[in-house]
Amino acid sequence: DSGVTQTPKHLITATGQRVTLRCSPRSGDLSVYWYQQSLDQGLQFLIQYYNGEERAKGNILERFSAQQFPDLHSELNLSSLELGDSALYFCASSVERVGTGPDEQFFGPGTRLTVL
Amino acid sequence: AQSVTQLDSHVSVSEGTPVLLRCNYSSSYSPSLFWYVQHPNKGLQLLLKYTSAATLVKGINGFEAEFKKSETSFHLTKPSAHMSDAAEYFCVVSDLYSSNTGKLIFGQGTTLQVKP
Repeated sequence: DSGVTQTPKHLITATGQRVTLRCSPRSGDLSVYWYQQSLDQGLQFLIQYYNGEERAKGNILERFSAQQFPDLHSELNLSSLELGDSALYFCASSVERVGTGPDEQFFGPGTRLTVL
Repeated sequence: AQSVTQLDSHVSVSEGTPVLLRCNYSSSYSPSLFWYVQHPNKGLQLLLKYTSAATLVKGINGFEAEFKKSETSFHLTKPSAHMSDAAEYFCVVSDLYSSNTGKLIFGQGTTLQVKP
């Protein structure tokens, strides 16, 4: 158990719908990362939040957005869903200590999204 | 831009024989490299990480990786495969020194099959 929790585990929805994926980081970790794993694209970085602020963006579609709340949990919102959005979405957290190089990222179990 | 290339998409070994999973990297900076493992229907777990302290890195479950700058390689090895090692393995580079964000860049993954 990594200490990172994600809900729900599975989500089945229809095209055009909107869903929200939730992530709770490990206690003490300020940084949250979202990744998407799909068969054709592999594992790709979507977005990072650090202590409530957006830190970096990757290959995230405009239909997708995220936020990190004061209690440090994060939500990834996916709207106007398309068949191609079906994937496994991972959240990871890390402590992000300054000046010590890249810290280990701890991954949650993922949310499997199926768009029908 | 930083990248990693996993040279084999699928590796099959017999139980008790050595494992070699190959990874080459491309980086303008001294890279920080990781190997993660993903068991079926599970999240990602860190096996080991290289951050320039020692070129031979020991990880969990008997895995090791050697950083070779002259060959731009970071191959993962294990002397004796166990059935429980069957999983997907990812070679990963941190983008921290390139983009000042700790986002991870993943290789395409190598599926390790262990035959009894």
